[in-house]
Amino acid sequence: GAGVSQSPRYKVAKRGQDVALRCDPISGHVSLFWYQQALGQGPEFLTYFQNEAQLDKSGLPSDRFFAERPEGSVSTLKIQRTQQEDSAVYLCASTRTSGGGRTGELFFGEGSRLTVL
Amino acid sequence: GESVGLHLPTLSVQEGDNSIINCAYSNSASDYFIWYKQESGKGPQFIIDIRSNMDKRQGQRVTVLLNKTVKHLSLQIAATQPGDSAVYFCAETGTASKLTFGTGTRLQVTL
Repeated sequence: GAGVSQSPRYKVAKRGQDVALRCDPISGHVSLFWYQQALGQGPEFLTYFQNEAQLDKSGLPSDRFFAERPEGSVSTLKIQRTQQEDSAVYLCASTRTSGGGRTGELFFGEGSRLTVL
Repeated sequence: GESVGLHLPTLSVQEGDNSIINCAYSNSASDYFIWYKQESGKGPQFIIDIRSNMDKRQGQRVTVLLNKTVKHLSLQIAATQPGDSAVYFCAETGTASKLTFGTGTRLQVTL
């Protein structure tokens, strides 16, 4: 499809396991964001890429969280040694411009729901 | 820290009535605001945006009003339909590229 694609849609992990969440942005989109959304809450910013450069990672909650976008298209969010508090929906969004969220609508994927047991 | 919040967590309206969803923000440096709609199990969907040099912007059945004096944002939906039932978020940016979202208002449309 033409939208932002995320996989897996659902992931159940045992506490302590590592997980990797994938985001395929819309083709040609320069800016890519990761957000974390806890149940009943608004999305919380995690990190922002402009092409392959990670320009802002101020929202990553700990050093267990790592994101990359090596070729400026697909991005992966990795969570090491998962904890129960990591349970949330992880949303990826992209936009075609380099100004990120300031220059127009973000196109969001449907998210990856992570449940840590 | 500075944040974006909402006055009402749940709003119930009858089909055909107009809906007004409110949002207060605290970051005086915010100059770009967006309303998103999120249906269950889906990602947020862009509805309408407004920049700080405007106080009103209209789209199809939706209007966003911005009052910078009191740092207040509202979304008006005309002739609310069952398909409008969702959670609505306001979001803002200041000098950073990231959006800061509020906690959301659930809109319930009754028949």
